[in-house]
Amino acid sequence: DQQVKQNSPSLSVQEGRISILNCDYTNSMFDYFLWYKKYPAEGPTFLISISSIKDKNEDGRFTVFLNKSAKHLSLHIVPSQPGDSAVYFCAANLGGGADGLTFGKGTHLIIQP
Amino acid sequence: SQTIHQWPATLVQPVGSPLSLECTVEGTSNPNLYWYRQAAGRGLQLLFYSVGIGQISSEVPQNLSASRPQDRQFILSSKKLLLSDSGFYLCAWRDGTGDTEAFFGQGTRLTVV
Repeated sequence: DQQVKQNSPSLSVQEGRISILNCDYTNSMFDYFLWYKKYPAEGPTFLISISSIKDKNEDGRFTVFLNKSAKHLSLHIVPSQPGDSAVYFCAANLGGGADGLTFGKGTHLIIQP
Repeated sequence: SQTIHQWPATLVQPVGSPLSLECTVEGTSNPNLYWYRQAAGRGLQLLFYSVGIGQISSEVPQNLSASRPQDRQFILSSKKLLLSDSGFYLCAWRDGTGDTEAFFGQGTRLTVV
């Protein structure tokens, strides 16, 4: 049973517009959420995170929104740039434990010129 | 600053051969260490994690094993590789306290032939 779901395998957005990547989770015990960016043949790099006590966190062009009641989070990238083309993974963490992060399957974001 | 090293970057091994992938972390002490695998078309699957020397937790029963002989060294092994072991293997570390992001190595592309 997949606890973190990214239902869009791919997303195409025009350069300069907003990219919105979505993620749903099923485990209400998750209390910390993260987004990672991954290029082919490289390890994922951390982008932005949000604690379950917040509903928004912003860092430059990246904003993550959390809707706990809907068990949904989203990553907004604005404006989208060609270098943003990559696979984006949503991840979740169970509070305080040493367990690894639970990842979604990823969304391949393609920024069109 | 902390760095994570993972090698080799690419590996082609015949079925039935042994495997040893090594990961080391610098610039931190007592990290939580993780091995993930990304199979084709799938997300990042947690294989093993370790909270200290000699302490290994397995998330998925399989043909692989892990060991942590030193505080900042994590090794992924197999005695006899299967075709299904092919994939992209990633080592990661996290600070052992609180909710933090995980930092990933560059990954190893393993092809079993």
